[in-house]
Amino acid sequence: GQQLNQSPQSMFIQEGEDVSMNCTSSSIFNTWLWYKQDPGEGPVLLIALYKAGELTSNGRLTAQFGITRKDSFLNISASIPSDVGIYFCAGTLKETSGSRLTFGEGTQLTVNP
Amino acid sequence: NAGVTQTPKFQVLKTGQSMTLQCAQDMNHNSMYWYRQDPGMGLRLIYYSASEGTTDKGEVPNGYNVSRLNKREFSLRLESAAPSQTSVYFCASSRTVAQHFGDGTRLSIL
Repeated sequence: GQQLNQSPQSMFIQEGEDVSMNCTSSSIFNTWLWYKQDPGEGPVLLIALYKAGELTSNGRLTAQFGITRKDSFLNISASIPSDVGIYFCAGTLKETSGSRLTFGEGTQLTVNP
Repeated sequence: NAGVTQTPKFQVLKTGQSMTLQCAQDMNHNSMYWYRQDPGMGLRLIYYSASEGTTDKGEVPNGYNVSRLNKREFSLRLESAAPSQTSVYFCASSRTVAQHFGDGTRLSIL
């Protein structure tokens, strides 16, 4: 089946630094999603990408859908303590409801004040 | 607007006991999903329901059953709990590709 490799597995940064993480797939996707999970809560959708080459921002977050359709990147600018959490990428080949998502294993982000 | 609501939030079972995890969404979404999350393994799909009246196996369905009771509700049942089923269980729903998650049920099997 499809596999997603998410890296890095963990990051320890100082407040104010920029963060980059990425996901690569063994096969192409038509949709990429990025989620954040806070401790004790469910994942929350941050950004959805629907087109190869698409670059989308949500506040300090920017995500890109790779041209090859096999990768995606998430950048966080000027990190703050509340950015702490686990970030997951997810992808699917389908574009409709009921599609099965493949999830990466997550990037654990720690921000030191 | 509650979104996706899961009950209970915590549960401890003994090996062999049965249990039903409940999930309800108030967003009028067609599709619903059950995942389990284990340390270092991300989210793995157990079962999903693309629309009311249909259910399909996901990546790790063994040991579980599901019921799509109506458009709002999708339950997950463990008929005979095993220690390997100790995990955090998440329910999600979607109208399009993007899925929206509940806050999880933390289940321990002793």
